[in-house]
Amino acid sequence: AQSVTQPDIHITVSEGASLELRCNYSYGATPYLFWYVQSPGQGLQLLLKYFSGDTLVQGIKGFEAEFKRSQSSFNLRKPSVHWSDAAEYFCAVGVTGTASKLTFGTGTRLQVTL
Amino acid sequence: DGGITQSPKYLFRKEGQNVTLSCEQNLNHDAMYWYRQDPGQGLRLIYYSQIVNDFQKGDIAEGYSVSREKKESFPLTVTSAQKNPTAFYLCASKIQGTTNEKLFFGSGTQLSVL
Repeated sequence: AQSVTQPDIHITVSEGASLELRCNYSYGATPYLFWYVQSPGQGLQLLLKYFSGDTLVQGIKGFEAEFKRSQSSFNLRKPSVHWSDAAEYFCAVGVTGTASKLTFGTGTRLQVTL
Repeated sequence: DGGITQSPKYLFRKEGQNVTLSCEQNLNHDAMYWYRQDPGQGLRLIYYSQIVNDFQKGDIAEGYSVSREKKESFPLTVTSAQKNPTAFYLCASKIQGTTNEKLFFGSGTQLSVL
């Protein structure tokens, strides 16, 4: 069975600083990977996905993520964080792109200081 | 506007009581999902339905029940058998067979025990 680990529960960065949120997955075949963002009391919004091809994927709101098979990682990055990026971020893995079940990580809460 | 509506936003349950969370979508989506979110645990799949009058258990179905009598509706009942129901519940939907980047989430229901 697949699994996802987000080792950082809480991260604080200053506005304008760079950001990297870590995600490690466990799955025997090529995974289908997703990053979602959740504002307090709200649903999840997809930031980006990786299915195949170029290992560096671009998403919305200036985010990008890099798939590294050798490290079983799919870390999320942003060069310059804005205060509005404060939210909770979830990494998820599916066994296919259309899988009915997604396995989510435990989330990383991002705090942005001004 | 098309979307997913979850109601109520906040719900309180007394001991031994069954409560039902509503999820309605006007996106003409075939597949609908219920996730439970606990702090520090990410999202876990409770039930999902790929077509009207059919549904499958997810990872944590015990103490919950669902029905799918109409395409646009997928209510979740939290029964008295669910001993720890306090959580944030998220409903999601997509067109069956499409990739999970097209998964839409509602804004959630916070359920608490009195």
